[in-house]
Amino acid sequence: GAVVSQHPSRVICKSGTSVKIECRSLDFQATTMFWYRQFPKQSLMLMATSNEGSKATYEQGVEKDKFLINHASLTLSTLTVTSAHPEDSSFYICSAIDRNSGNTIYFGEGSWLTVV
Amino acid sequence: AQSVAQPEDQVNVAEGNPLTVKCTYSVSGNPYLFWYVQYPNRGLQFLLKYITGDNLVKGSYGFEAEFNKSQTSFHLKKPSALVSDSALYFCAVRAPSGNTPLVFGKGTRLSVIA
Repeated sequence: GAVVSQHPSRVICKSGTSVKIECRSLDFQATTMFWYRQFPKQSLMLMATSNEGSKATYEQGVEKDKFLINHASLTLSTLTVTSAHPEDSSFYICSAIDRNSGNTIYFGEGSWLTVV
Repeated sequence: AQSVAQPEDQVNVAEGNPLTVKCTYSVSGNPYLFWYVQYPNRGLQFLLKYITGDNLVKGSYGFEAEFNKSQTSFHLKKPSALVSDSALYFCAVRAPSGNTPLVFGKGTRLSVIA
């Protein structure tokens, strides 16, 4: 299947700093990517839909000024957690729609964020 | 609104036995249904999907799922479980049109015991 690369896989940052997570579709173009958050032993919670060349659509309750999403190209979306706090510590997973495979959605490997 | 229910938090099965992980859905119109597997500290791996056509869908690693419209179910099955199948399994649904995201069930943890 198609490959989605997510980087970094693990990151530790200090409270108050910002951290950027990248999501790349390696062998297909993705006009739409999705960002999820997963707490331990829980399901995935959709944070936002990222559309190439336009503003992201955020789910209710997700602070758009805190979780900045940029989808500047057809293969790259970034999530920046600004002014991070310990409660932002979580597993963040991106996914992308591959139109060449019947609109299957493929996922990155996820990024563990720990805010200390 | 679409939703998915996975009624079992945990499924235990002996190696070599058949396994079933249950999923029911609620969606207006024809559903797009998916199964993903997640190993510890990893992203989700695509197993299979139902869009249209045959109700029995075959996927990766010997898994299959049967779409049952009357029961609104999409149970995941495998004839003979392996210890390496132990993982967290997610059923998901999305609307058939547009760039809509997946809506996930809460997940079912499968443990295959040797």
